[in-house]
Amino acid sequence: RKEVEQDPGPFNVPEGATVAFNCTYSNSASQSFFWYRQDCRKEPKLLMSVYSSGNEDGRFTAQLNRASQYISLLIRDSKLSDSATYLCVVRDAGKSTFGDGTTLTVKP
Amino acid sequence: EAGVAQSPRYKIIEKRQSVAFWCNPISGHATLYWYQQILGQGPKLLIQFQNNGVVDDSQLPKDRFSAERLKGVDSTLKIQPAKLEDSAVYLCASSPTGGWEKLFFGSGTQLSVL
Repeated sequence: RKEVEQDPGPFNVPEGATVAFNCTYSNSASQSFFWYRQDCRKEPKLLMSVYSSGNEDGRFTAQLNRASQYISLLIRDSKLSDSATYLCVVRDAGKSTFGDGTTLTVKP
Repeated sequence: EAGVAQSPRYKIIEKRQSVAFWCNPISGHATLYWYQQILGQGPKLLIQFQNNGVVDDSQLPKDRFSAERLKGVDSTLKIQPAKLEDSAVYLCASSPTGGWEKLFFGSGTQLSVL
């Protein structure tokens, strides 16, 4: 079993749709969690950190369920510019483990 | 603030040849990481340095891969000899302390082994 697992998709949605990505992790001792965004042929960039209480940044909402070892990312009112691969990242003792990413394509 | 610098941007070699990649992290960042990203997969950690010491190299194929970070600043990653399965993007990242903060990535080196 992989340490961090994501639904690979692809997710193809129309503009304005709401889309949710899920991620599960195996190490219960993991202490910090992130979502990164990676555009085609570009490096990953931090989208948002994920806090235990859940957090929101504009159209993006991240949630963490430690009991189920599950992280989610919700994107509301999808834009064409949201098309990218979204990587779930779990950090423990300074080591970051990446999921294989979920690809989103937003269409007009 | 200057970002993480990597070179070259692209490299094409034949199998059994050698190749080296260079990375200069953000000034003042103590922790430097090398990741390998195969097409369709997430980045996989190869090696992590804290200043000029190795923290984690458990996934580095040491029979062919080597890395160093002399003086605790820039770093080189070498593959000798290369195999077809080494074709990937090699990403360098840095972070201030190696704790819970985010990683800053360079633009990567795309390696094709023919």
